[in-house]
Amino acid sequence: AQKITQTQPGMFVQEKEAVTLDCTYDTSDQSYGLFWYKQPSSGEMIFLIYQGSYDEQNATEGRYSLNFQKARKSANLVISASQLGDSAMYFCAMREGGGGSYIPTFGRGTSLIVHP
Amino acid sequence: GAGVSQSPSNKVTEKGKDVELRCDPISGHTALYWYRQSLGQGLEFLIYFQGNSAPDKSGLPSDRFSAERTGGSVSTLTIQRTQQEDSAVYLCASSLDGYRDQPQHFGDGTRLSIL
Repeated sequence: AQKITQTQPGMFVQEKEAVTLDCTYDTSDQSYGLFWYKQPSSGEMIFLIYQGSYDEQNATEGRYSLNFQKARKSANLVISASQLGDSAMYFCAMREGGGGSYIPTFGRGTSLIVHP
Repeated sequence: GAGVSQSPSNKVTEKGKDVELRCDPISGHTALYWYRQSLGQGLEFLIYFQGNSAPDKSGLPSDRFSAERTGGSVSTLTIQRTQQEDSAVYLCASSLDGYRDQPQHFGDGTRLSIL
């Protein structure tokens, strides 16, 4: 079974609008971490935001927020006030366990295109 | 400060040749990861180094793949007897340490093409 599922291969949004990118995860661990990364066409992966499984508040970083719904095992990324520079691939990742190796598993990504 | 540096940025080689990909992590980062990204796919974990501990090689797809990290810094990923299915972008990432959740800092990757 997929550990991280991103069901939207492609998303389109109008500039200045908000957009939600979906991510669901599968784990039986109580302790885990969730990450979102952005990969522009230039190729470099850029860290955006992190949510720990024990964090009670949803993480926020500027225009990025993570809608963490633990019972549903979802960790959707919300980008507010989209900008043309937000056009990129977005990857959700999860780190399970904590027995020594903190190795995140990545989803297949969602391509976001922001229209002017 | 300097980010994660990977070289070469592009590599084209013939099937059956050996290739070496290099990664220079951020200074002071003890955790180093190698991933492979094929077209339209997510990141496939290959190998993980943490300090002086034995590496986690659980993601290496075959014994043609190996990696080493010298002096806890620079890492080299070697692919022997390359096959066409090895064509992909190979990404290296480092993080401050591997004992807690830390953002990974990625290099620009090496695009490997096997003819």
